[in-house]
Amino acid sequence: AQTVTQSQPEMSVQEAETVTLSCTYDTSESDYYLFWYKQPPSRQMILVIRQEAYKQQNATENRFSVNFQKAAKSFSLKISDSQLGDAAMYFCAYRSKVKTSYDKVIFGPGTSLSVIP
Amino acid sequence: EAQVTQNPRYLITVTGKKLTVTCSQNMNHEYMSWYRQDPGLGLRQIYYSMNVEVTDKGDVPEGYKVSRKEKRNFPLILESPSPNQTSLYFCASSFAGPSYEQYFGPGTRLTVT
Repeated sequence: AQTVTQSQPEMSVQEAETVTLSCTYDTSESDYYLFWYKQPPSRQMILVIRQEAYKQQNATENRFSVNFQKAAKSFSLKISDSQLGDAAMYFCAYRSKVKTSYDKVIFGPGTSLSVIP
Repeated sequence: EAQVTQNPRYLITVTGKKLTVTCSQNMNHEYMSWYRQDPGLGLRQIYYSMNVEVTDKGDVPEGYKVSRKEKRNFPLILESPSPNQTSLYFCASSFAGPSYEQYFGPGTRLTVT
């Protein structure tokens, strides 16, 4: 069974600085998707970025980028030029591409990010 | 507006009193899922559905039931709630396929006393 680990329960960053959130996962599959979701205090879950395992190029969405290391099973999220609105809980998630398995989504425990003005 | 709605948003109930949390989506998504969120555990999948009349267990299905009689609705039923089911619950939907983003409802905060 797949597992997702986020080893940093809490992190903080100064406004305008860069922060990296860690995520590691365990799987025996070769193709899958990885996601980062953001949950602000409003509790609404928002997709930040997604990465397909077979794509070597790291995904980027504006100030958000990932460092995907497939062999190491690592999927970290880098937030550049941090803003106060980035303060939230961030969840890493895994989804299989195997047709009989992609209905299950595995989430990590989350990292709470604080942004210091 | 494309959205997933859940009701109620907050619910306090007593042990053993049956309750239903409704979930509805207006995006014609095939896939729907229920999660519970607990501190330090992230989101854990309770049940999911790939289409009408097709449901399956997630990682923590004990004490819950679901049904999918219509494509847009996926209610979560707790027939005899217990205090360990106190949690934050999310419904989500997406098109079928692993690449698709899940759209989440606003969450339901359930307290069982």
